[in-house]
Amino acid sequence: SQQGEEDPQALSIQEGENATMNCSYKTSINNLQWYRQNSGRGLVHLILIRSNEREKHSGRLRVTLDTSKKSSSLLITASRAADTASYFCASYNFNKFYFGSGTKLNVKP
Amino acid sequence: EPEVTQTPSHQVTQMGQEVILRCVPISNHLYFYWYRQILGQKVEFLVSFYNNEISEKSEIFDDQFSVERPDGSNFTLKIRSTKLEDSAMYFCASGLPLAGAEQYFGPGTRLTVT
Repeated sequence: SQQGEEDPQALSIQEGENATMNCSYKTSINNLQWYRQNSGRGLVHLILIRSNEREKHSGRLRVTLDTSKKSSSLLITASRAADTASYFCASYNFNKFYFGSGTKLNVKP
Repeated sequence: EPEVTQTPSHQVTQMGQEVILRCVPISNHLYFYWYRQILGQKVEFLVSFYNNEISEKSEIFDDQFSVERPDGSNFTLKIRSTKLEDSAMYFCASGLPLAGAEQYFGPGTRLTVT
């Protein structure tokens, strides 16, 4: 399979704490994207990082990309209960997106 | 804000029947995708569509699947002879006219094959 993996599979934290999720992928990429999915709903795009970028910020989100290790991380700072969702990375190459297995984040109020 | 819509939200069908899942992408988008998510599992790429033809397809997208953009607004996924293992959420997504740009997902169609 060319799809990547994410860890941890599940993460439970208190509101206000930071959450870090990691993603690994297997092929070379043009870009990598992170998406959020609330239970039973569609995916919402969070942030895109290109293969020539190493770090990107958007509000409380920080994404890093290490193409030599074929890995990325998503950091959510000062988490809120509303951040409770599943988070997926998606690597893009040759008109295909490969989604990771996802991290289920639970932020306790 | 424009959004991707999908119909129906839930489709129940008997094994062997044909189903058509419909999607209305965002109007100025040029890239269209279908994904499948079996309950509790990862999102799986099925097919990408650009300029009225398939750009890429996965191993899952075999001869029982087909996609069509019958008019300027709709994008459909047809499953010719459904199997029990086709039961899943099917998501449509559309993207800006730039390959690899962020995708906007629809809310999904839950397909149940009995």
